[in-house]
Amino acid sequence: NAGVTQTPKFQVLKTGQSMTLQCAQDMNHNSMYWYRQDPGMGLRLIYYSASEGTTDKGEVPNGYNVSRLNKREFSLRLESAAPSQTSVYFCASSPRGHPNFYGYTFGSGTRLTVV
Amino acid sequence: GQQLNQSPQSMFIQEGEDVSMNCTSSSIFNTWLWYKQDPGEGPVLLIALYKAGELTSNGRLTAQFGITRKDSFLNISASIPSDVGIYFCAGQLTGNQFYFGTGTSLTVIP
Repeated sequence: NAGVTQTPKFQVLKTGQSMTLQCAQDMNHNSMYWYRQDPGMGLRLIYYSASEGTTDKGEVPNGYNVSRLNKREFSLRLESAAPSQTSVYFCASSPRGHPNFYGYTFGSGTRLTVV
Repeated sequence: GQQLNQSPQSMFIQEGEDVSMNCTSSSIFNTWLWYKQDPGEGPVLLIALYKAGELTSNGRLTAQFGITRKDSFLNISASIPSDVGIYFCAGQLTGNQFYFGTGTSLTVIP
């Protein structure tokens, strides 16, 4: 029962380095999302993809780019990492464009530290 | 972004006690979701609410969609140690985006 798989689970970057966070789901869901979680801030949406071939900005998109590679995979890229991007990143998916009836299924997170 | 205020921020309770937490906003939401997050894991959906006044149960958990559509409540009856975790509310205005609350951290003392 894989669900949503995120890699890597942990990463330390130096300021200015780049990296891509990978996410894949095996539930044939249409929509995928990237959130970041910071202490006292809850979960904030970075980018989402309502369906294959489309991406849209969320609440905090600056400093990030995304690619919906196919229906299964949705990657998040940090081109030039900054300490403010230290966070826990969660990928999520939902079966349709509006996750009204099933909510999201979340991955287990990527813990990123930028030094 | 939208502000969802969850209270309390943290709770320490004895095993067997009932728990109540809530989520409030200045905005009107169409859908409310409640999630639980275990340490080192992603949030897992507990309950979904779709209309004002709706009361929905999932085992020992009961959640309500407030009449004003600006709040929601979660109750846990007869708490057990595995209820430990962080509970998040999430509200949907329109479209694909849900806004999450800041979480209520629950500790159950055996």
